Amino acid sequence: GIQVEQSPPDLILQEGANSTLRCNFSDSVNNLQWFHQNPWGQLINLFYIPSGTKQNGRLSATTVATERYSLLYISSSQTTDSGVYFCAVVTQGGSEKLVFGKGMKLTVNP
Amino acid sequence: DAGITQSPRHKVTETGTPVTLRCHQTENHRYMYWYRQDPGHGLRLIHYSYGVKDTDKGEVSDGYSVSRSKTEDFLLTLESATSSQTSVYFCAISEGLGTGLDEQFFGPGTRLTVL
Repeated sequence: GIQVEQSPPDLILQEGANSTLRCNFSDSVNNLQWFHQNPWGQLINLFYIPSGTKQNGRLSATTVATERYSLLYISSSQTTDSGVYFCAVVTQGGSEKLVFGKGMKLTVNP
Repeated sequence: DAGITQSPRHKVTETGTPVTLRCHQTENHRYMYWYRQDPGHGLRLIHYSYGVKDTDKGEVSDGYSVSRSKTEDFLLTLESATSSQTSVYFCAISEGLGTGLDEQFFGPGTRLTVL
């Protein structure tokens, strides 16, 4: 099946710093989503981005489908950005099944 | 926020007992999913449903069964719980365009501990 790899696995930042999270996938995809799991365990949808670039406030994401990767940018990080970030994909011909990466833990210190 | 609730939110049970988790949605979405989350594995799909009485297996379906008798409810049953089923269980929904293009939205999760 498709492999989804996220990097780096862990990241510690000071408040105000910028960061880039990367998601590599091993096959063509129809769907790619980024999620933030907050410290209370809630999964929050950040982006639905099978291709192209989107921005939402301090966050933006870019997916280059032909090269099989996606990037999540966090600018001017805040302590509330702490948590685990997941990338998840649906393969072409893979029905509606989301396959998740193992996640990246972000800690933003004040 | 998508209207998804899960019950119970926390449960402690003993090995060998049956357990049923419920997912309820108010969005009238066609697709519903059950995932489990374990350290080092991200989320993995257990079963999903693409309509009333229509279900299919996911990546880690052994030891689990599901039922969907109404659009709004999707039940996950552990017939005889084992310690390896200790996990956090998430329900998700999607509109159901049927082309792999749907955005999925997740419920708050149920933390299950099997002693």
